[in-house]
Amino acid sequence: SQQGEEDPQALSIQEGENATMNCSYKTSINNLQWYRQNSGRGLVHLILIRSNEREKHSGRLRVTLDTSKKSSSLLITASRAADTASYFCATGHGGSNYKLTFGKGTLLTVNP
Amino acid sequence: NAGVTQTPKFQVLKTGQSMTLQCAQDMNHNSMYWYRQDPGMGLRLIYYSASEGTTDKGEVPNGYNVSRLNKREFSLRLESAAPSQTSVYFCASSARTGAEETQYFGPGTRLLVL
Repeated sequence: SQQGEEDPQALSIQEGENATMNCSYKTSINNLQWYRQNSGRGLVHLILIRSNEREKHSGRLRVTLDTSKKSSSLLITASRAADTASYFCATGHGGSNYKLTFGKGTLLTVNP
Repeated sequence: NAGVTQTPKFQVLKTGQSMTLQCAQDMNHNSMYWYRQDPGMGLRLIYYSASEGTTDKGEVPNGYNVSRLNKREFSLRLESAAPSQTSVYFCASSARTGAEETQYFGPGTRLLVL
């Protein structure tokens, strides 16, 4: 069963605006990751945040993690048309049997 | 480096036919994975191989078999295809360095079962 659930399912914004996507999960995690999928392509890793971290930045991406609320958010600042894609959160959990569990994704459309 | 490659890119099967989806990675990764992606369902893990010589079931293994041929290659076999197996199949690999594993994905195989 899915561990992470993204919200909203779809988001449409204008170029230059910021986009925020949220992810909630159910059980304890080692880390949480965000991936991007362009239409018809495989997933590409964007950023990883460890369970003991609260915020992480990478270029125009900002990820926050609140383990007490079991939630994370991905902020894309100054969006571009090229950011149009589906975004998935993935929770990493387990020890020797470590696996990633993916959510259903948020479809982001950035209009020029 | 080609990364993760998958063949074929597209396939149409009739119900009951069999086929093998091929996956190879050139990153010297220990772990490899097969997922299926269906509309509204996200990615679901079919099988994975934590290291050469081992394979384990994921969330949705029924109707599939896998072979970790060597460190580079991990194949997925459908013995008797069913329309419910119409999906996009992704192979992924990872270095499995402790508890901070990130996965690298292939471009996918689009399978239609009639």
